[in-house]
Amino acid sequence: DVVMTQSPLSLPVTLGQPASISCRSSQSLAYRDGNTYLNWFQQRPGQSPRRLIYKVSNRDSGVPDRFSGSGSGTDFTLKISRVEAEDVGVYYCMQGTHWPPVTFGQGTKVEIK
Amino acid sequence: EVQLVESGGGLVQPGGSLRLSCAASGFTFSNYWMSWVRQAPGKGLEWVANIKQDGSEKYYVDSVKGRFTISRDNAKNSLYLQMNSLRAEDTAVYYCVRDDDSFFDYWGQGTLVTVSS
Repeated sequence: DVVMTQSPLSLPVTLGQPASISCRSSQSLAYRDGNTYLNWFQQRPGQSPRRLIYKVSNRDSGVPDRFSGSGSGTDFTLKISRVEAEDVGVYYCMQGTHWPPVTFGQGTKVEIK
Repeated sequence: EVQLVESGGGLVQPGGSLRLSCAASGFTFSNYWMSWVRQAPGKGLEWVANIKQDGSEKYYVDSVKGRFTISRDNAKNSLYLQMNSLRAEDTAVYYCVRDDDSFFDYWGQGTLVTVSS
C-alpha cells in the first residue's frame, strides 16, 4: 500500500500569514494516463471532509483562490496564501493512483496562534 | 444540489451486525462509483470500500474483507454497507462518498457506529 506522510502534523499560524503543508508518498503518484491522483481535503471542526484540490493543483468549485496545490512524483504541497479564521481544521492529502486501497495522510491540524 | 444522507448507525456488541444506508439525490446516481470512508473517534480518514456504477466491481480495505459487503440499488438511488462480525476497532463515523473521476468530490454527514459491550 502507498503510505502518505504529512508534515507538520500541527501548524499554528497567524491570521493573514501564509501556511504550507507537505505531503510525501512512498511511490510516485504519476499514473499512466498522464494524471496524478493526489487530492487535498479540509475538515473543519464538527464537519464532514470537503475536497479542496484534486489532481494536484485543481481547485474545486467554491474553494477560495488563497488555496493552491503543487508538486509531482512523490512530493506535494498545499499552500494557503493568507490564513483566515475559517481555515481552522484538519487537512488531509490522499492518493488514488495506486488503488485499492485509496490512502490518506495522517492529517495536519491548522490552528490560529 | 448533491445530497448524501447516511443512516443505520448505532451501538452494537462485538460480533454483531449492522447495515448502513446512504440515500443519494441531486445527481444521476447510476453514473458514479461510490465509496464508504470511515473515521475513528479523534483519528484520520480511512477508505473502506467502493463499488462500480453497475455493481459489477467491488473493492475493500484488507481489514474488512470477508466481513463487510458494499452494495447499491440504482433504482432506489441508494448505497449500502453490510457490516458483520463487528469489532471494537470498527467504531467510527462512516461517510458515504461520491467518486468522480478524481475521487471523493461529495461527502455525506456521516453516521456513527459504536462497537462495544
